[in-house]
Amino acid sequence: AQSVTQLDSHVSVSEGTPVLLRCNYSSSYSPSLFWYVQHPNKGLQLLLKYTSAATLVKGINGFEAEFKKSETSFHLTKPSAHMSDAAEYFCVVSGNYGGSQGNLIFGKGTKLSVKP
Amino acid sequence: DAEITQSPRHKITETGRQVTLACHQTWNHNNMFWYRQDLGHGLRLIHYSYGVQDTNKGEVSDGYSVSRSNTEDLPLTLESAASSQTSVYFCASSESLADQETQYFGPGTRLLVL
Repeated sequence: AQSVTQLDSHVSVSEGTPVLLRCNYSSSYSPSLFWYVQHPNKGLQLLLKYTSAATLVKGINGFEAEFKKSETSFHLTKPSAHMSDAAEYFCVVSGNYGGSQGNLIFGKGTKLSVKP
Repeated sequence: DAEITQSPRHKITETGRQVTLACHQTWNHNNMFWYRQDLGHGLRLIHYSYGVQDTNKGEVSDGYSVSRSNTEDLPLTLESAASSQTSVYFCASSESLADQETQYFGPGTRLLVL
């Protein structure tokens, strides 16, 4: 069965400093992995996804994530935080609920705060 | 532009009432999903559909039902609302069942059951 663990429920950074949001996954096969972002009172937006091509994936708004199979990790990074990055971030693995494909399994989320 | 919409955006209801949340997508996607979002749980799958007349139970399906009479709509019904169903509900759709397929999410419906 697939699962995903976000190691921090809350991360706080200062504007202009790097961002690191950590995610570990568990999967019985080579998974597809996603990061979604949710701004306050908004829906979810895809940031980036890994689909077994390049292990370093670039997404929107300067975010990127690196797939490390040996560490079963898919951490999200950004070199310099902006105030507009304050949001909740979800690490997601492609699921197989009840033997059916196409489902997503979500981590519990990491809330990113950005201080001026 | 294609989109996915949900209505209502906010709903207050009483325990025991039947409630239906609407989801409409213009992507012409075969696959549609309902999730609920609760603090400390992320999003959890309620029901999903792979096409017209197809519905399947997800992880937290008790107390919910769906029907799929056309490609565009997947309404979610709470048969007899309970306080434990107070949550934010998200509808999503995708084009294929490939693992790498992106799901597109609606804006959410915030439901309060009193």
